[in-house]
Amino acid sequence: DTGVSQNPRHKITKRGQNVTFRCDPISEHNRLYWYRQTLGQGPEFLTYFQNEAQLEKSRLLSDRFSAERPKGSFSTLEIQRTEQGDSAMYLCASSSLKGLAGDYEQFFGPGTRLTVL
Amino acid sequence: GNSVTQMEGPVTLSEEAFLTINCTYTATGYPSLFWYVQYPGEGLQLLLKATKADDKGSNKGFEATYRKETTSFHLEKGSVQVSDSAVYFCALTGTGFQKLVFGTGTRLLVSP
Repeated sequence: DTGVSQNPRHKITKRGQNVTFRCDPISEHNRLYWYRQTLGQGPEFLTYFQNEAQLEKSRLLSDRFSAERPKGSFSTLEIQRTEQGDSAMYLCASSSLKGLAGDYEQFFGPGTRLTVL
Repeated sequence: GNSVTQMEGPVTLSEEAFLTINCTYTATGYPSLFWYVQYPGEGLQLLLKATKADDKGSNKGFEATYRKETTSFHLEKGSVQVSDSAVYFCALTGTGFQKLVFGTGTRLLVSP
C-alpha cells in the first residue's frame, strides 16, 4: 500500500498527558499537511511542510502543539498537556509540487482519533 | 480570509433521484475548488476538482462547474445510488495550492 499512513489510529489519554502522532506520506511527496477535524465539522488546517521546512502554522496551533518533519519524510505531531478540547480526528495529507500545472492533489491518511478523558 | 459555505444536511434522497449540494466560496485571487468525499469509516478522498473559472470537474457521475460570477461550485449527480451515501466536503486552495479550506460538510443519505 503506497497511501498515506498514520499511527496510531486511535489514542485515548488523560488530560494533562502528552501524545505524539506519526504520519508517513506517499513516497516522494514533498509537501505534508496536518489538519484537525471535530465531529460534524470540516477539517481545519494546522500546519504544512515543504520537505523539512515548516512553511505555515495556523493560529489553531497553540504553543502546546509542535510538528516536525526532520528528514523531509515522515512527520510527527506532538500535543503537550492535552486538554479535553483537543479531542478530535487528526488528519495528515501529502502532495507533490511539480509546478503550477503539476500534481497538487492532497492525498489524505485515515487519521488518528484522539480522545482526551 | 478564504472561506467555504455549503448547505447543511442531511440530504435524504431515494435511489435514482437527482442530487444538488450547494457550495459557495469567498476567496482572494484565483482559488482552485474541490469536492472531497468521506465514506463511512474511510478517509477523505478527492472526488473532483476545477482550477479556473468555467472549468467543469467530473468523476463517477458527479459534476461541478466553477462559477466565478456567482462564486459557486455546486455538486450535482443525475441519479444517486445507495453507495453514494457519504459526507461531501467542498474545499478550496488559494494561489500556490497550499492549505485546503473546507466547508462543514453535507451528509447524503440515499435509501433504496
